[in-house]
Amino acid sequence: DADVTQTPRNRITKTGKRIMLECSQTKGHDRMYWYRQDPGLGLRLIYYSFDVKDINKGEISDGYSVSRQAQAKFSLSLESAIPNQTALYFCATSDLGGVAGELFFGEGSRLTVL
Amino acid sequence: AQSVAQPEDQVNVAEGNPLTVKCTYSVSGNPYLFWYVQYPNRGLQFLLKYITGDNLVKGSYGFEAEFNKSQTSFHLKKPSALVSDSALYFCAVRDPLSAGNMLTFGGGTRLMVKP
Repeated sequence: DADVTQTPRNRITKTGKRIMLECSQTKGHDRMYWYRQDPGLGLRLIYYSFDVKDINKGEISDGYSVSRQAQAKFSLSLESAIPNQTALYFCATSDLGGVAGELFFGEGSRLTVL
Repeated sequence: AQSVAQPEDQVNVAEGNPLTVKCTYSVSGNPYLFWYVQYPNRGLQFLLKYITGDNLVKGSYGFEAEFNKSQTSFHLKKPSALVSDSALYFCAVRDPLSAGNMLTFGGGTRLMVKP
C-alpha cells in the first residue's frame, strides 16, 4: 500500500461545483502539503500544515481551502471550481525535521473543470 | 525570494551516453537543494539532496549532482543513461533561513533517452 494516498485519482467536474480532494498518510509525518502541477510551471504550493492546529497559505491559495482532520489526513477543497483550476494536484508529507528532509508525494489527483 | 530555473524543457540523449540536466538557483542564504523524478502517472520521487559538505552528491539509480556555489548551480548527472531514466526531472531549493522553510520547484525538464 502507498504511504501517501490520494482520492480520487481522476475527477471531471463542471464550473461552479464543489470538489474535495483527500489525502491520507501512514508515514507518521507531522507536515503535510498540497501542490498543484501545471506544465512548464513545476509544482506550486497551495497550502501546508505543520500539525493539526497549524494551517498556512502557500503561494497560490486563492480559490482553495483545506482541512487537517487528523495527523494523517489533509483534504483540499475547491468551493466553486473554475476551468483554470484544471491541473494535477499532489499531496506530500515530510517529517518534523523538515528543513533538510525530503518530501514524500502521493500519486496525484487529476482534476478537470469543464 | 528564492527561485529555481531549469533552462531546458527537454534533454535528449542516447542510451549509454552521459546525461546532464541543468539547474540554477537563487536564494539569500545557503541553499538546501533537491532533485526529484516523476515517472508517467506517478508522484514525484526523491533522488538526492545537497545540504552541506561534499559538493558532489550521489543519489538513487546512479544519479549524482554537483553543487557549485560560485555558479549557483546544481546540475544532475549520470555517467551512462538508460532508457528507463526517461522521465520528468525537477530541481528544488529551500532557504533554511526563510519563514516556513518552503521548497520552491523549477519548471521541470523532460529527459528522453533513446535506445
